[in-house]
Amino acid sequence: AQSVAQPEDQVNVAEGNPLTVKCTYSVSGNPYLFWYVQYPNRGLQFLLKYITGDNLVKGSYGFEAEFNKSQTSFHLKKPSALVSDSALYFCAVRDGDNYGQNFVFGPGTRLSVLP
Amino acid sequence: ETGVTQTPRHLVMGMTNKKSLKCEQHLGHNAMYWYKQSAKKPLELMFVYNFKEQTENNSVPSRFSPECPNSSHLFLHLHTLQPEDSALYLCASSQEASKVTYEQYFGPGTRLTVT
Repeated sequence: AQSVAQPEDQVNVAEGNPLTVKCTYSVSGNPYLFWYVQYPNRGLQFLLKYITGDNLVKGSYGFEAEFNKSQTSFHLKKPSALVSDSALYFCAVRDGDNYGQNFVFGPGTRLSVLP
Repeated sequence: ETGVTQTPRHLVMGMTNKKSLKCEQHLGHNAMYWYKQSAKKPLELMFVYNFKEQTENNSVPSRFSPECPNSSHLFLHLHTLQPEDSALYLCASSQEASKVTYEQYFGPGTRLTVT
């Protein structure tokens, strides 16, 4: 069975500072990993994904994430946070070796960027 | 943002009513999903339609009934709901192929309130 943990319910960061939103996962096969962002009263919006290749993945709006196989982590990062980055962030995993397995989403982390 | 549309955006219904949620995707995808998002709970996968056939329903109560007449349209028929069914219902779509994983694209959701 696959699972995703986002250990922090809330992350607060000052505008201009670097931000990190943490994600760890468990999957029996090859991990396919995703980050989504949700703004108030909106659906989830795709940010980036790791399927294979370079462990550092770059995505939309200046976000990037680093895949770490040994630590089973896929933390989301941004060098300089903006107030407009304040939103709910979801990590998701899918088992790449079991076609037909669906996405499993983490509980979400609320990011607040303070001006 | 307009790749997956959902109507209505807001719905208030009594426990004895019958209503339907509609989802349409304009992305040429072959798989569609219904998710339930409740406050302080992880995203719950309700139904999956792959190539118009239902492949998973995750033990959803029978008061929720999905319909997928073609690969672009997905409905969720609701009847005799309970107050605990109040939530944001999200539709998503993706392109599925053997051994290839693509990200899901989400609609804006329908905010359902059961009174």
